[in-house]
Amino acid sequence: DAKTTQPPSMDCAEGRAANLPCNHSTISGNEYVYWYRQIHSQGPQYIIHGLKNNETNEMASLIITEDRKSSTLILPHATLRDTAVYYCIVREYNFNKFYFGSGTKLNVKP
Amino acid sequence: GAGVSQSPSNKVTEKGKDVELRCDPISGHTALYWYRQSLGQGLEFLIYFQGNSAPDKSGLPSDRFSAERTGGSVSTLTIQRTQQEDSAVYLCASSSLRGGIETQYFGPGTRLLVL
Repeated sequence: DAKTTQPPSMDCAEGRAANLPCNHSTISGNEYVYWYRQIHSQGPQYIIHGLKNNETNEMASLIITEDRKSSTLILPHATLRDTAVYYCIVREYNFNKFYFGSGTKLNVKP
Repeated sequence: GAGVSQSPSNKVTEKGKDVELRCDPISGHTALYWYRQSLGQGLEFLIYFQGNSAPDKSGLPSDRFSAERTGGSVSTLTIQRTQQEDSAVYLCASSSLRGGIETQYFGPGTRLLVL
């Protein structure tokens, strides 16, 4: 029931941009795209969310395609501390089940 | 401000014993979620509360698992007659709606080991 597809792992060089893709081809009009990450042995941490416009905050940028069937999370200057599992989630705005899926393990290398 | 707290942080128990895991959500957050994460796996949704009510309990793995929330605040997840396969990290999250958007904030988790 995750409704999203992500690559299991990705590598990124320290200081470079990390671009993490997510497919959500069955997304419906009232579902948002959320990104969380989980650093080893910690609880997941909220990163960013969006509906149809691109979003940017102090942590990352979120690019959502015009048809909303896919999105990309961008960490502009990855550091070693960004090594984590990144989860892409789609859901409606109201309280409900929240499926995390398997996520993408991002390895930032020196 | 204070985040979501969980206790105990670690729990070792013997097979067949009952355990209670506690979650203190962020003050004012109306929704509370419980997840389970086995070693090297993703998060498995267990149950969520809206206020003191749990609209959907279908994520609970068996009838040995139960949860309650009182006063719209603290929640307790109880596992009866624990089994070795119950060993996992149990994560709690709380959230509230702002402008129609919900963001979940997670606690550090309780690491449960059933021997």
